Amino acid sequence: AQKITQTQPGMFVQEKEAVTLDCTYDTSDQSYGLFWYKQPSSGEMIFLIYQGSYDEQNATEGRYSLNFQKARKSANLVISASQLGDSAMYFCAMREGLNTGTASKLTFGTGTRLQVTL
Amino acid sequence: DSGVTQTPKHLITATGQRVTLRCSPRSGDLSVYWYQQSLDQGLQFLIHYYNGEERAKGNILERFSAQQFPDLHSELNLSSLELGDSALYFCASSPRPTGYTQYFGPGTRLTVL
Repeated sequence: AQKITQTQPGMFVQEKEAVTLDCTYDTSDQSYGLFWYKQPSSGEMIFLIYQGSYDEQNATEGRYSLNFQKARKSANLVISASQLGDSAMYFCAMREGLNTGTASKLTFGTGTRLQVTL
Repeated sequence: DSGVTQTPKHLITATGQRVTLRCSPRSGDLSVYWYQQSLDQGLQFLIHYYNGEERAKGNILERFSAQQFPDLHSELNLSSLELGDSALYFCASSPRPTGYTQYFGPGTRLTVL
């Protein structure tokens, strides 16, 4: 089974509108972290936001918020007031086993390409 | 700018050759991770070093090897290159092995002809 599933290959949003990018995950660990990264056409991977499995509140970073629904194993990224510069690939990722001393890798989804239009 | 540096930015080489990719982590970060991003495999974890010691291996081919030096910079060595090794190779760093965000470098784009 896929550890991270991003079902939207591509999304369009109008400038200044909000958009939600979906991410579901699969893990049996109790302690894990969920991340979102942005990859513009230039190629770099930019960290956006982090949510720990024990965090009670949804994470927010400026215009980014993470809608964390633990029971549904979903960690959707919400971008408010979209800007043209938000056009990019967005990757959801997970680190498992955070409390075991063995957490290491990030497991990534396949990404969602977001296009912001005028 | 994440603070992670990678050189070179682009590398073009031929099949059968060997290349070395270099990564300097953010100041103070002890962990270095290597990832490969290709069209068919997506983003794949290769290997993790913490303070000079190998901590975890992912889908890293035997033709690939890595090390982390006392000054904490890391090198990824790719040998006997094949066309399928063409990819974007990322280095990431974090202050500790677990529980912290990984910050990515700009990547090295490797093209094998």
